[in-house]
Amino acid sequence: TQLLEQSPQFLSIQEGENLTVYCNSSSVFSSLQWYRQEPGEGPVLLVTVVTGGEVKKLKRLTFQFGDARKDSSLHITAAQPGDTGLYLCAGDQLDNNDMRFGAGTRLTVKP
Amino acid sequence: DAGVIQSPRHEVTEMGQEVTLRCKPISGHDYLFWYRQTMMRGLELLIYFNNNVPIDDSGMPEDRFSAKMPNASFSTLKIQPSEPRDSAVYFCASSRTSEGQPQHFGDGTRLSIL
Repeated sequence: TQLLEQSPQFLSIQEGENLTVYCNSSSVFSSLQWYRQEPGEGPVLLVTVVTGGEVKKLKRLTFQFGDARKDSSLHITAAQPGDTGLYLCAGDQLDNNDMRFGAGTRLTVKP
Repeated sequence: DAGVIQSPRHEVTEMGQEVTLRCKPISGHDYLFWYRQTMMRGLELLIYFNNNVPIDDSGMPEDRFSAKMPNASFSTLKIQPSEPRDSAVYFCASSRTSEGQPQHFGDGTRLSIL
């Protein structure tokens, strides 16, 4: 059982569509991070959220941390083929310093 | 600045052979992590070090796996003897602290055990 459950596991959409992916847990996190991984490369950090209810925007990407700091979402507006990749969330648990990764959402944006 | 550097990028070897993966973290980073990634299991934390000291190796699958960090700029992950089920992409990452700080990943070593 994953500490962080990501959904959906796979998502294939057309260019221009909007999408939301989710990262859920029963644990409380002191911080949560989103990474994007492209084929043949390591994950690259997109954003870190720390405060419950926090919303951060990175161009067409909007990240939200749940009020209880147990879940997070990533919304992409007007997806582009360059957004294709594996999106991973990673949480730093409140009661220890271990950061754990979810299994990821594999996004494909078709032109 | 140079990122995390891993070598080799690809390794193909026969089962039973010893495999050594290498990692050079970003200078000044106190933490170093070793991960394994497969389609079935995703990204799994194997072990991490703080100031060259192993802190948590509970993710190391078996005694065949061992990791060392002899100094702040170098770490190895060794598999001996290797088995086909060890085939995966192995990532090394480093960070300044473990709490809330981003982990910087290398490009990984794609390991294939025949």
